[in-house]
Amino acid sequence: AQTVTQSQPEMSVQEAETVTLSCTYDTSESDYYLFWYKQPPSRQMILVIRQEAYKQQNATENRFSVNFQKAAKSFSLKISDSQLGDAAMYFCAYRIIQGAQKLVFGQGTRLTINP
Amino acid sequence: DTGVSQDPRHKITKRGQNVTFRCDPISEHNRLYWYRQTLGQGPEFLTYFQNEAQLEKSRLLSDRFSAERPKGSFSTLEIQRTEQGDSAMYLCASSLGGHRNEQFFGPGTRLTVL
Repeated sequence: AQTVTQSQPEMSVQEAETVTLSCTYDTSESDYYLFWYKQPPSRQMILVIRQEAYKQQNATENRFSVNFQKAAKSFSLKISDSQLGDAAMYFCAYRIIQGAQKLVFGQGTRLTINP
Repeated sequence: DTGVSQDPRHKITKRGQNVTFRCDPISEHNRLYWYRQTLGQGPEFLTYFQNEAQLEKSRLLSDRFSAERPKGSFSTLEIQRTEQGDSAMYLCASSLGGHRNEQFFGPGTRLTVL
């Protein structure tokens, strides 16, 4: 069974600094997608960034980038120039290419931005 | 594009009562998912529809749970004889399917069973 593990229940960072959130996963599939979702307090979950496993190049979306290490099954999220609006729960998620394509989520990391 | 909507946003009920939640997906999306999120945890998959067909159900979906998507548009999730352990946020997501299949989430329905 596929599992996703986020070992940091909480993280904090000073505004304008850089923070890295960790994620590891377990799968026997060779092709899959990985995601980072953001869930602000009392607001809906939104997609931050996605990575396709067959692509070696790490995905980047503005201030958000990932470090994808396929052999190590590691998928970390780096947030540069942290802003107050980045404060949220961050979930790492995985899904396979075929079938229902259901998302398997980690336990989440609560990110606090200190002004 | 008005996004995925869910109703109600909050529901408080007494143990043993039945509750029903509704999800309206993005209009052209043919896939619809239900997830459950308990406090401090990530969402867990419950069930999935492609158009009106329910194609997969999680073992989390006990016999007290039933989901429908009668015309391939909105979906309902009913919980019969609610238990305190059913207290959670119920999330709906929809997507177009295909290789990329980005799932868009609704705001969720928070259920509290007293």
